[in-house]
Amino acid sequence: DAGITQSPRHKVTETGTPVTLRCHQTENHRYMYWYRQDPGHGLRLIHYSYGVKDTDKGEVSDGYSVSRSKTEDFLLTLESATSSQTSVYFCATLPPGALTDTQYFGPGTRLTVL
Amino acid sequence: SQQGEEDPQALSIQEGENATMNCSYKTSINNLQWYRQNSGRGLVHLILIRSNEREKHSGRLRVTLDTSKKSSSLLITASRAADTASYFCATDSGNTGFQKLVFGTGTRLLVSP
Repeated sequence: DAGITQSPRHKVTETGTPVTLRCHQTENHRYMYWYRQDPGHGLRLIHYSYGVKDTDKGEVSDGYSVSRSKTEDFLLTLESATSSQTSVYFCATLPPGALTDTQYFGPGTRLTVL
Repeated sequence: SQQGEEDPQALSIQEGENATMNCSYKTSINNLQWYRQNSGRGLVHLILIRSNEREKHSGRLRVTLDTSKKSSSLLITASRAADTASYFCATDSGNTGFQKLVFGTGTRLLVSP
C-alpha cells in the first residue's frame, strides 16, 4: 500500500459543516490524487497535486478544495458538506516521473453527511 | 469524460473456472490499467498495458487491448475464491504530462468454492 494512510477512516457529519480528510504518505511520491467512489460511477477524480502547493481540479471538484503544504500530506476539504458528498473517498499516490507507472491507493474514508 | 464501461457488471463462477471481463472506452489512450478492489478496501494494481501492446500476461492474468475497437479484456484463469472482488479498468490519455486516470464502473466477481 506504499505507506498511505487516510484519516479519519469513518466520519458522520451534518449538512453544512466543514470536513477535512487527510492523506499521508511515507514514500515521497510527487503526485497525489483524491477520488470519490459511488455506486454505478466507479472512481472519479476530485483534485490532484503534482507537487507542494501545486494542485488542480479533476472531474468532480465542485464543493471541494485541497491543500498540499508538505510532500507527505494532501488534505481534502468540504467547506460546507452536503448529502450528495456522502461517499467513500480514496487517496492515491504516483511515483515521480512515472507516466506509465501505477497508482497506489489508501484504504479509504467513508463519509456520511446527514 | 472518457469513462470506461465494463461488462458484465457482475459475474458469478465456480472455483477453477475462467473469468472474463471487458472494458470499453471512448477516446485514444496512452495506457490501460486493471485494478482489483476487495470489499471495503482500497484498489490494488494488477496489470498495465500500453497502447502499442496487444496482449500481456501476469501469472493467471491475461489482458488484451484492441485500440481499433477501444476495448480491453481481463481474463483470470483457474479462478479461486480469493479472486472474489471488484475489478476496474482505468485509462490514461497521457496528454497532460502526468498520469490522470479515468476509471470504469467495475465488474463484481464472485468465485464460489
